[in-house]
Amino acid sequence: AQSVTQLDSHVSVSEGTPVLLRCNYSSSYSPSLFWYVQHPNKGLQLLLKYTSAATLVKGINGFEAEFKKSETSFHLTKPSAHMSDAAEYFCVVISDSGGYNKLIFGAGTRLAVHP
Amino acid sequence: DGGITQSPKYLFRKEGQNVTLSCEQNLNHDAMYWYRQDPGQGLRLIYYSQIVNDFQKGDIAEGYSVSREKKESFPLTVTSAQKNPTAFYLCASSQGATDTQYFGPGTRLTVL
Repeated sequence: AQSVTQLDSHVSVSEGTPVLLRCNYSSSYSPSLFWYVQHPNKGLQLLLKYTSAATLVKGINGFEAEFKKSETSFHLTKPSAHMSDAAEYFCVVISDSGGYNKLIFGAGTRLAVHP
Repeated sequence: DGGITQSPKYLFRKEGQNVTLSCEQNLNHDAMYWYRQDPGQGLRLIYYSQIVNDFQKGDIAEGYSVSREKKESFPLTVTSAQKNPTAFYLCASSQGATDTQYFGPGTRLTVL
């Protein structure tokens, strides 16, 4: 069965410093992986997705993620944090379940950005 | 603008009452989904529909019901049988059942 583990429930960084949000996955085959962001009391916005093309995936707002099969990881990074990046981030893996894409969510990582 | 709308944004309900949450999309997507989010947790799938007039139970369907009479609409009813209904409810849609899902802004339901 597919699953994802987000290794940090909270991450705090200073504005202008790098961001690293960690995600490990478990999958019996080559997975499709996503990162979504959720601002308070809002819906989820797709940041980026990996679907077995390039291992380094670029997303919106300067975020990127690298798929590392040997480490079963899909960590999200950004070179320089902005105050507007403060939000909750979800790592998601697809489970092929009866012909539709079932999303398996991690528990989320709350990112705080300090001035 | 194309997108997914959910209404109302906030909803209060007394115990024992049924309540219906609205989800509408104008993206011409075939597939629609309902998720529940509790504090500190990821989303869990309640129901999904791959096509009009068809829907399937997700992981936590007990106490919920849905209908899919129109392509653009997928309302969710939270019944009195749902033991712990207070949560944030998110609707999503995708072009096809294996395509990327896009989310609405959510409805926060509070049972008083």
